[in-house]
Amino acid sequence: GENVEQHPSTLSVQEGDSAVIKCTYSDSASNYFPWYKQELGKRPQLIIDIRSNVGEKKDQRIAVTLNKTAKHFSLHITETQPEDSAVYFCAATTKLGGTSYDKVIFGPGTSLSVIP
Amino acid sequence: DVKVTQSSRYLVKRTGEKVFLECVQDMDHENMFWYRQDPGLGLRLIYFSYDVKMKEKGDIPEGYSVSREKKERFSLILESASTNQTSMYLCASSLVVGPGEIQTFGAGSRLTVL
Repeated sequence: GENVEQHPSTLSVQEGDSAVIKCTYSDSASNYFPWYKQELGKRPQLIIDIRSNVGEKKDQRIAVTLNKTAKHFSLHITETQPEDSAVYFCAATTKLGGTSYDKVIFGPGTSLSVIP
Repeated sequence: DVKVTQSSRYLVKRTGEKVFLECVQDMDHENMFWYRQDPGLGLRLIYFSYDVKMKEKGDIPEGYSVSREKKERFSLILESASTNQTSMYLCASSLVVGPGEIQTFGAGSRLTVL
């Protein structure tokens, strides 16, 4: 079936440095790519998303890039802060087999630690 | 603010017991989802529903069933709990599906099956 891979699984950076998380997807028809952040003990929350007709999107210190040809997309966090420490999930939409329904497939997650 | 409420944060059950996990959302969302979250495996879709009384299997439906009798409520049922169903269960809802979809998650229900 369709899947989303995510790397690295864990990432440690010094406060102020940049962090990059990379994902690849298998379904060439995927057209929406959200990113969720889950702080320890809390629920996942959407932080940024990108559609397939856009190559890059930025929101303050976070940005996402998409390469549809290569089927990969990345999350970039600049000037990292301790409160950026969390698990980050990338995701991609795909069609549920045999139906017209979209579903979201999540990557396995990246645990980011920002060291003060 | 959309609220997705899961009735139980922590449950401990015995093998073979029937388990109900309840999820309620208060924003009139059409779509509701049940995931399980395990370390290194991310969020895996168990079942979802795009309308009342409608349900579709996700990626790992075996051993689970669901019920959506009312729009705001989506229940996950473990007919006969097993130890490999020990996990964190997350419910989510969304207004649209596909591009632009924002899934709002509940706080999670951590189930331990002994």
